[in-house]
Amino acid sequence: AQSVTQPDIHITVSEGASLELRCNYSYGATPYLFWYVQSPGQGLQLLLKYFSGDTLVQGIKGFEAEFKRSQSSFNLRKPSVHWSDAAEYFCAVGAGGNEKLTFGTGTRLTIIP
Amino acid sequence: DAGVIQSPRHEVTEMGQEVTLRCKPISGHDYLFWYRQTMMRGLELLIYFNNNVPIDDSGMPEDRFSAKMPNASFSTLKIQPSEPRDSAVYFCASSDTGPEDEKLFFGSGTQLSVL
Repeated sequence: AQSVTQPDIHITVSEGASLELRCNYSYGATPYLFWYVQSPGQGLQLLLKYFSGDTLVQGIKGFEAEFKRSQSSFNLRKPSVHWSDAAEYFCAVGAGGNEKLTFGTGTRLTIIP
Repeated sequence: DAGVIQSPRHEVTEMGQEVTLRCKPISGHDYLFWYRQTMMRGLELLIYFNNNVPIDDSGMPEDRFSAKMPNASFSTLKIQPSEPRDSAVYFCASSDTGPEDEKLFFGSGTQLSVL
C-alpha cells in the first residue's frame, strides 16, 4: 500500500528566507506525486505535481519540488518565502488514472517577520 | 465556475444526532471525493464516486457513515448517529478524467463539531 510521510509537523521560517518541506513516500512503482496548500479556512489548492520526465517540477507561487527516486522523496522548496505563504502543506501520492490519493499528515508553515 | 461548493461551512450538533454534509462538484467533473481531515490522522479519503457510482468506500470508518450521489451535481455525506470523535473538517473534491491530468479541486470544507 502506498504511504506518505511528512516528518515535520510545524516549521517556522523568517520572511525572505528559503524553505524546504520534506516528503517521503512509499510506493511500488513510479508514483504520481503532488503538493497541495491549504490556507486558513480554505480548501486545498494544487501547487504542483510530478508524473514523469524532468525530476524538478515548477509550480505556482514560486514553489518547486524535486523527485528523488533513490531517496523516495519529493521535497518542496521555495527560495524566498512571503508572509502569505503561511499555510498547511500536504504531500500526496497516487497511482494515476484518478486512483485515490494518499495524503501526508501535513506541515504547518509559520512565517515570522 | 464557482468551484466545488460545500454546505454548511460549520455544523455544531449533539451526540446522537444525524448530520448531513452537502457537496456540489464542478460542472463536468465526473469524479467526486469525500475526505476527512483531523489533526491526528491528517487527510483521509472516505469514499469516491465516478459518474455517480461509488467506486471505493473502504475509507468509510463505520456503518454510521453513508454517502450518496443521486446526480452529477450533488452528493451528500451522512453520519447517523454522530459521535464526538466524528468532529473534523470534511472536504469534498472533484476532478475530471485523464491520468495525465489528475488534479483535485477541493471545496472549502465543513467544520463539524459533535458535542
